[in-house]
Amino acid sequence: SQTIHQWPATLVQPVGSPLSLECTVEGTSNPNLYWYRQAAGRGLQLLFYSVGIGQISSEVPQNLSASRPQDRQFILSSKKLLLSDSGFYLCAWSVSIAGTYEQYFGPGTRLTVT
Amino acid sequence: QKEVEQDPGPLSVPEGAIVSLNCTYSNSAFQYFMWYRQYSRKGPELLMYTYSSGNKEDGRFTAQVDKSSKYISLFIRDSQPSDSATYLCAMSEVTAGGTSYGKLTFGQGTILTVHP
Repeated sequence: SQTIHQWPATLVQPVGSPLSLECTVEGTSNPNLYWYRQAAGRGLQLLFYSVGIGQISSEVPQNLSASRPQDRQFILSSKKLLLSDSGFYLCAWSVSIAGTYEQYFGPGTRLTVT
Repeated sequence: QKEVEQDPGPLSVPEGAIVSLNCTYSNSAFQYFMWYRQYSRKGPELLMYTYSSGNKEDGRFTAQVDKSSKYISLFIRDSQPSDSATYLCAMSEVTAGGTSYGKLTFGQGTILTVHP
């Protein structure tokens, strides 16, 4: 069965510090990978998605970037965090089969920028 | 106007009640509809997945899609305290060429509490 991991689970960072969040998927090959942010009391906002190694599409212009150095690894980064970057960050995966749209989410990382 | 509207609640019901959760949408290109359950401080969990109009049943859960009204529903029968969570609807268009990297558009989520 497939498993998705995210770490760290929680993070408190000062404004202006760098960020690196990691997501890995087990039990599947060539998944589509996604990064979402969820603000308190709000739905999920898609930040980035990737259909393959080194292929990143950005949905929202922002202070963040993403990379996919390996097939089942997805990294979310920032060089300098802003207060507005606080939120619950979720990684998700889906199978890369045409006509399949279900996405499966990881446990999330709660980021607080102080 | 948001593409997907979902009443945030909160919704509080007694154990055993039938719960109805709903979303409306404006984009007629949406064809795939999903419901996720999210417990506090956890990632969303896929509950139900339906394509186009119609009903789908899975245990105590029934998902309904009415594309003519742009309205989807999730019914929970015999609700349990363990059903207390936030329920998110999500939708996707058919992407160009039938590719699978569907971008999901989410509702805001409805907070449900089932009390014993």
